[in-house]
Amino acid sequence: SQKIEQNSEALNIQEGKTATLTCNYTNYSPAYLQWYRQDPGRGPVFLLLIRENEKEKRKERLKVTFDTTLKQSLFHITASQPADSATYLCALDNYGQNFVFGPGTRLSVLP
Amino acid sequence: ETGVTQTPRHLVMGMTNKKSLKCEQHLGHNAMYWYKQSAKKPLELMFVYSLEERVENNSVPSRFSPECPNSSHLFLHLHTLQPEDSALYLCASSQDKIVGNTIYFGEGSWLTVV
Repeated sequence: SQKIEQNSEALNIQEGKTATLTCNYTNYSPAYLQWYRQDPGRGPVFLLLIRENEKEKRKERLKVTFDTTLKQSLFHITASQPADSATYLCALDNYGQNFVFGPGTRLSVLP
Repeated sequence: ETGVTQTPRHLVMGMTNKKSLKCEQHLGHNAMYWYKQSAKKPLELMFVYSLEERVENNSVPSRFSPECPNSSHLFLHLHTLQPEDSALYLCASSQDKIVGNTIYFGEGSWLTVV
């Protein structure tokens, strides 16, 4: 069956450290993978998109990697800040139809 | 401000009521979506409209009825809902219904069915 898993439901890290979130998928063959941020009670906000032929994408303190062999994407936040605390969702395309979302990882950056 | 506005933000309704959720996008997009987000569950795609035509209905019960009168507005009509329908309902839009387009979400409508 098809499945999208995001490492843990919650992740706590110390301010200034690098947060690494994982997104693993089974029985999908995505051409695109996106990452979103969602704050409590708000809608998700787009962060980054990476294509299957791209290994890595960066935007300011954010970095995303996409390994189609491992069927995994890693999302890194360097020099993390308490303001980065939120739930992060990965989403991938379901055989070119629509995006399917993972369950999310709730990140807490502790001062 | 994401360019996608949803009203109301909060709604409490009885199981015999009829109510509607409204969504308006100011981005000039051609595709609009309804998603459901329940506690501890991933976002679930409910309906997709492309150029005002419904192109996808993901086995959603008939007590949820979408309407897209034009490319800027989307409604979700609700009637005889169940308590398990209580959730955050998110409207979204994208330039086109093409995978790879960024999806822009509204702030959501919190629905409680009592």
